[in-house]
Amino acid sequence: AQKITQTQPGMFVQEKEAVTLDCTYDTSDQSYGLFWYKQPSSGEMIFLIYQGSYDEQNATEGRYSLNFQKARKSANLVISASQLGDSAMYFCAMREATNFGNEKLTFGTGTRLTIIP
Amino acid sequence: KAGVTQTPRYLIKTRGQQVTLSCSPISGHRSVSWYQQTPGQGLQFLFEYFSETQRNKGNFPGRFSGRQFSNSRSEMNVSTLELGDSALYLCASSFFGSGGPLYNEQFFGPGTRLTVL
Repeated sequence: AQKITQTQPGMFVQEKEAVTLDCTYDTSDQSYGLFWYKQPSSGEMIFLIYQGSYDEQNATEGRYSLNFQKARKSANLVISASQLGDSAMYFCAMREATNFGNEKLTFGTGTRLTIIP
Repeated sequence: KAGVTQTPRYLIKTRGQQVTLSCSPISGHRSVSWYQQTPGQGLQFLFEYFSETQRNKGNFPGRFSGRQFSNSRSEMNVSTLELGDSALYLCASSFFGSGGPLYNEQFFGPGTRLTVL
């Protein structure tokens, strides 16, 4: 079974609109961390936001927020007021407690977001 | 503070050759992880080094190897290159070693794009 599932291969969104990128995950651990990364065409992975499994509030970082629904095992990324510079690949990733101290991140297949002017 | 650097940025090799990629982590970071990114397989974990010791290894053949030096710089080597080794190889560094928190942001370099002809 896929550990991280991103069901939207590509999305087109009008500039200034909000966009939600879906991510569901599969783990039997109680303690885990969820990450979102942005990868522009240059290739570098840019960290956006983190949500811990025990965090009671949804994480927010500027225009980014994470809609965390633990029971549904989903961790959707919400980008408010999208900008042209948001066009990129977006990856959801997870680090499980069984790998505590282990740096391995398991990534989803990504969503290519294109912002239309 | 300088980010993660990877050299070279681009590399073209032929089948059967070997290649060495280099990664310099952020100053003070002792953990370096390597990932392979391909259109077909997505992002896959190769291995992680901490204080010159390999802590974990992904599911790759023995042709893929790595090492870390006392200054935390890391190299990965691929011997007997195959066409399927063509990929973007990403290096990521982080501060915490074993026993660190789940929130342990990995900082990625720009990657080395390897093309095998």
